[in-house]
Amino acid sequence: DVKVTQSSRYLVKRTGEKVFLECVQDMDHENMFWYRQDLGLGLRLIYFSYDVKMKEKGDIPEGYSVSREKKERFSLILESASTNQTSMYLCASSGRDRGTYSNQPQHFGDGTRLSIL
Amino acid sequence: AQTVTQSQPEMSVQEAETVTLSCTYDTSESNYYLFWYKQPPSRQMILVIRQEAYKQQNATENRFSVNFQKAAKSFSLKISDSQLGDTAMYFCAFINTGNQFYFGTGTSLTVIP
Repeated sequence: DVKVTQSSRYLVKRTGEKVFLECVQDMDHENMFWYRQDLGLGLRLIYFSYDVKMKEKGDIPEGYSVSREKKERFSLILESASTNQTSMYLCASSGRDRGTYSNQPQHFGDGTRLSIL
Repeated sequence: AQTVTQSQPEMSVQEAETVTLSCTYDTSESNYYLFWYKQPPSRQMILVIRQEAYKQQNATENRFSVNFQKAAKSFSLKISDSQLGDTAMYFCAFINTGNQFYFGTGTSLTVIP
């Protein structure tokens, strides 16, 4: 079974802090994703990555950055945390068929509940 | 723009009954994939069922089946013989050829004993 592991289940930080959320997958997946989940808004894509050192902006990248130095690890960075970034953050990964875009389902981590005070 | 709409924020169903969750989407692409995901109260999102747009036949997985209407851009999920463990948030999702996933806002389903 695919395992996607997020480093923290709950995290509390202060406004202005730099926050790192880590995600590791063990299935050699090419694609990795960061979402935030808010009640009534569903999942919104922040950033995704097709390959090591590759990154693409999603729908709401403002205030966030990402790092993919190794294939199995995808980090989300809040450069200067603000209270409106209090949310549930979900990491996901998926495989990619050779030579084509992926039709593979995403596999999710347990999520990190981040509170910014 | 590509969007996914789930018009039912909350639903409930009696145990052992059948329930249908609706989902519509908007895309100009002809080849894509649709998914239903389940997120139980423990929060981990898991895949329920997948449909490929070029396939006419509706996907089924045990008690879960879909009604895929490509022309209407509709992708509803039917849960038969509902069980207490089906209580969860259900998300409809769409993936395009750009490998981007789009999720609906979710339907909270409660199975009543």
